[in-house]
Amino acid sequence: RKEVEQDPGPFNVPEGATVAFNCTYSNSASQSFFWYRQDCRKEPKLLMSVYSSGNEDGRFTAQLNRASQYISLLIRDSKLSDSATYLCVASSGYSTLTFGKGTMLLVSP
Amino acid sequence: GAVVSQHPSWVICKSGTSVKIECRSLDFQATTMFWYRQFPKQSLMLMATSNEGSKATYEQGVEKDKFLINHASLTLSTLTVTSAHPEDSSFYICSARPTAETQYFGPGTRLLVL
Repeated sequence: RKEVEQDPGPFNVPEGATVAFNCTYSNSASQSFFWYRQDCRKEPKLLMSVYSSGNEDGRFTAQLNRASQYISLLIRDSKLSDSATYLCVASSGYSTLTFGKGTMLLVSP
Repeated sequence: GAVVSQHPSWVICKSGTSVKIECRSLDFQATTMFWYRQFPKQSLMLMATSNEGSKATYEQGVEKDKFLINHASLTLSTLTVTSAHPEDSSFYICSARPTAETQYFGPGTRLLVL
């Protein structure tokens, strides 16, 4: 079983749509969680950390359910520039970041 | 601006040659840096943890004699792919953590071995 599993993609949505990504992790020792964004042929860039209480950053909302070992990312009012691959990441310590394969989002006009 | 740089950004080489990739932290010191590899449509996979002044820690399945890591200063780690073969072609990315809460990735090095 993969340690971090994400929805298969790609997700094709029109501009303005709301889209949700789901992610599950298998390591119960995971302590920190993140969503990264990776553009084609580029390095991942931190989009947001994920907290148990849920957190929001503009159009992006992240949720964590430790009991279900489930993480989500909601993007509202999608923009063309949101097109990218979104990586779910779990960390069980200082050095260990475990990445999901990523879910590709394509926002069309 | 970028806080972690990598050089070169891409490399094309013949099979059997060795390739060195540099990772530098800018504006901060990094006693620990991380080297990842990403194959097309796959996850980033941690290869090794580079420790300044000591030996690197390799993940299971990563050959330490194949992927030589040197972390000679607080701002520079190098990864050398020795005797590269086509199956080593990949996207190599380093990262560093200026604080416990943040991790920055370098822009990556795309290696193509012919």
